[in-house]
Amino acid sequence: GQQLNQSPQSMFIQEGEDVSMNCTSSSIFNTWLWYKQDPGEGPVLLIALYKAGELTSNGRLTAQFGITRKDSFLNISASIPSDVGIYFCAGLKSGGGSQGNLIFGKGTKLSVKP
Amino acid sequence: SQTIHQWPATLVQPVGSPLSLECTVEGTSNPNLYWYRQAAGRGLQLLFYSVGIGQISSEVPQNLSASRPQDRQFILSSKKLLLSDSGFYLCAWSWNRGTEAFFGQGTRLTVV
Repeated sequence: GQQLNQSPQSMFIQEGEDVSMNCTSSSIFNTWLWYKQDPGEGPVLLIALYKAGELTSNGRLTAQFGITRKDSFLNISASIPSDVGIYFCAGLKSGGGSQGNLIFGKGTKLSVKP
Repeated sequence: SQTIHQWPATLVQPVGSPLSLECTVEGTSNPNLYWYRQAAGRGLQLLFYSVGIGQISSEVPQNLSASRPQDRQFILSSKKLLLSDSGFYLCAWSWNRGTEAFFGQGTRLTVV
């Protein structure tokens, strides 16, 4: 099936650092989503992007919908310990059937630098 | 507001036993419903989705089945569990096809 290429796969953060991650695809999407998953829990929607070029913030999080509609990035500024977890990007296309299903990246695991 | 409930949170079942996981959504009508499986804390695999009562679409061939007996109830079942069915199962809902999904808390299934 379709895949989103999400990078990096994992990263270590030190409190106060800024963090960047991104997702790319060979396909065009109408919506880009970013989720965060804490251990043992379901993913929680952080940011939804609906228009090419859109830049949206949610507190210390900022995400952008790429102009080509084939990519998106997520930035976390001034990271704190509770930012650790797995971040997933997801793309959506309009349409019925399987076209309307979320396509997920494989996740970026954020851990605290030892 | 809308809420999604999924239970049980954890389950340990012997190989060959049946399975029934339940998910309900409150605060909305005619949601699209989904079952995902997540192995080893990464990678969400869509198993089933439903656009209405009794309407189930399967995304991958497997040992599991899904049913939607009521508008806001989605059930994941198996007649005989395999070791490979172990994993973290997530239920989700969305307003329509092609819109963002909201996830439940998940069920950790261990088949022994």
